[in-house]
Amino acid sequence: AQTVTQSQPEMSVQEAETVTLSCTYDTSESDYYLFWYKQPPSRQMILVIRQEAYKQQNATENRFSVNFQKAAKSFSLKISDSQLGDAAMYFCAYRPDSNYQLIWGAGTKLIIKP
Amino acid sequence: KAGVTQTPRYLIKTRGQQVTLSCSPISGHRSVSWYQQTPGQGLQFLFEYFSETQRNKGNFPGRFSGRQFSNSRSEMNVSTLELGDSALYLCASRVVSGGRITEAFFGQGTRLTVV
Repeated sequence: AQTVTQSQPEMSVQEAETVTLSCTYDTSESDYYLFWYKQPPSRQMILVIRQEAYKQQNATENRFSVNFQKAAKSFSLKISDSQLGDAAMYFCAYRPDSNYQLIWGAGTKLIIKP
Repeated sequence: KAGVTQTPRYLIKTRGQQVTLSCSPISGHRSVSWYQQTPGQGLQFLFEYFSETQRNKGNFPGRFSGRQFSNSRSEMNVSTLELGDSALYLCASRVVSGGRITEAFFGQGTRLTVV
């Protein structure tokens, strides 16, 4: 069975600093997709960044980038120049190539200190 | 472009009752998925519908059911409610385009409280 693990229940970072959120996953499949979603207090899940497993290049979206290590089954999210608006729950999610079901980690609460 | 709309936003029901939640996807999105979010179990996949057909189902009892209409709107129903069904229910819609990765857009959820 595929699983996603986020080992950091909570992280805090000073505004303008950089923070890295960890995610590991377990799968026997070779083709899959990985995502980071952000859930602010409004509860709406917002896609931050996505990575196709077949791509070696790490995805980047403005201040957000990932470190994808396929062999280690690791998918960490780096947030540069942290802003107060980045405060939220962050979820790592896995989707197998065979269907559209997302498998989620437990989430990391990110606190931004002004 | 309107986003994914879930109604109602909040709901309080009594044990044993049944409830129906609604999800209107983004226009043109034919795939709708439902997720349950609880503090204890986290986010869990309920089911996915595409073109009025259930394509995938999570590990939930038969009390949880759903359907999708020809306009892609979806409903989920929970019968004989239990206290443990209290949760945030999230709906997501997406464009289906072969195996190409497509982003799931989420609604703001329905907060169900069972008393």
